Amino acid sequence: LAKTTQPISMDSYEGQEVNITCSHNNIATNDYITWYQQFPSQGPRFIIQGYKTKVTNEVASLFIPADRKSSTLSLPRVSLSDTAVYYCLVGDRGTGGFKTIFGAGTRLFVKA
Amino acid sequence: GAGVSQSPSNKVTEKGKDVELRCDPISGHTALYWYRQSLGQGLEFLIYFQGNSAPDKSGLPSDRFSAERTGGSVSTLTIQRTQQEDSAVYLCASSRQGQGGQPQHFGDGTRLSIL
Repeated sequence: LAKTTQPISMDSYEGQEVNITCSHNNIATNDYITWYQQFPSQGPRFIIQGYKTKVTNEVASLFIPADRKSSTLSLPRVSLSDTAVYYCLVGDRGTGGFKTIFGAGTRLFVKA
Repeated sequence: GAGVSQSPSNKVTEKGKDVELRCDPISGHTALYWYRQSLGQGLEFLIYFQGNSAPDKSGLPSDRFSAERTGGSVSTLTIQRTQQEDSAVYLCASSRQGQGGQPQHFGDGTRLSIL
């Protein structure tokens, strides 16, 4: 299983764009990249998933370079409610569910 | 629709007792996962069920931990002879089986405290 490395914490202000980068140097050919968000006392919640290039949904964008050894989660115009822990995972999507290893994640603090 | 449901939400027990934690996955989801999360830490994978296949138990920390999934739906995680280091939040997730796979949907966990 590919190991991921993320910054431990980040600070931002309301209205700013936040980019969180995740390194996964030994990502396998079949691996997808998935990001989750976790608030205190709640389970993680799926944000976005991608394989290569760029993926965008109503919440975030995910940028994946051609070598796929890293990925960047982009949160546009963050608000105080985006303060949470963000996890990057890589795993094989093709098995219909994949055993995953969650790292410590990135703690994002959004200030007023 | 209903999400992943876990019970109890909180459990306090004495060291040495056995505990059972329950997970009701989303209907139709064939993959089910258990994780453990200690305070301020990431999630530690415990066990993974996929359909009728043998579960992947590679994450279970000791033989005091076991899990079963009856009828491909509800799952129970059992911890025997609990120790203080077992105190953590136990999270369950489920996902839909499919060619492309699906992201995991999590419950809000059971907070286990061993006195």
